[in-house]
Amino acid sequence: KAGVTQTPRYLIKTRGQQVTLSCSPISGHRSVSWYQQTPGQGLQFLFEYFSETQRNKGNFPGRFSGRQFSNSRSEMNVSTLELGDSALYLCASRSDGDGNYGYTFGSGTRLTVV
Amino acid sequence: AQSVTQLGSHVSVSEGALVLLRCNYSSSVPPYLFWYVQYPNQGLQLLLKYTSAATLVKGINGFEAEFKKSETSFHLTKPSAHMSDAAEYFCAVRSTGGGNKLTFGTGTQLKVEL
Repeated sequence: KAGVTQTPRYLIKTRGQQVTLSCSPISGHRSVSWYQQTPGQGLQFLFEYFSETQRNKGNFPGRFSGRQFSNSRSEMNVSTLELGDSALYLCASRSDGDGNYGYTFGSGTRLTVV
Repeated sequence: AQSVTQLGSHVSVSEGALVLLRCNYSSSVPPYLFWYVQYPNQGLQLLLKYTSAATLVKGINGFEAEFKKSETSFHLTKPSAHMSDAAEYFCAVRSTGGGNKLTFGTGTQLKVEL
């Protein structure tokens, strides 16, 4: 069974640009969550999608947005990039409703804003 | 709101020695608790999870954790450390108010010395 796939693995962007990150969950998983990891703030929840609907949102500015497609693949977008957006962005998928509460994470996308 | 606290940002043990990584939680309801490990430039790998089925939870790679309600703790242990255990370990609690948000501790960097 393939794991959670995040693309790209590494990304360098310039301040003010926008970026789109992609996450393909484990087959059959309908819940996809996004987290930001930085040395200063640690792991912080961004948002969660389930069946194409945002079900939960963290405390991030509106520049951070996401969506989920009918095949459960998810994208997150960050507009008007700031230097502080440099981070490892992690996606996690979960099989909702079957009692298995384990979240499987992808390898992440390392975003560097210069 | 649920939260977790990891005591000790860095722990150093000798190879073959006991590993003990501490996690205390704060929750007004029975929590779902997790331990994840992160190797350099990788995502998070689930070690084990507590979902109220049993207080002693066995995970992968010889790790286990015991849920102690009276102490609000969920410490991670391994009887004998191996060099390959060197990594960063995160304790996390899942929110119970709808959605699947994980709240992480600040992490403990485990160093294993010869």
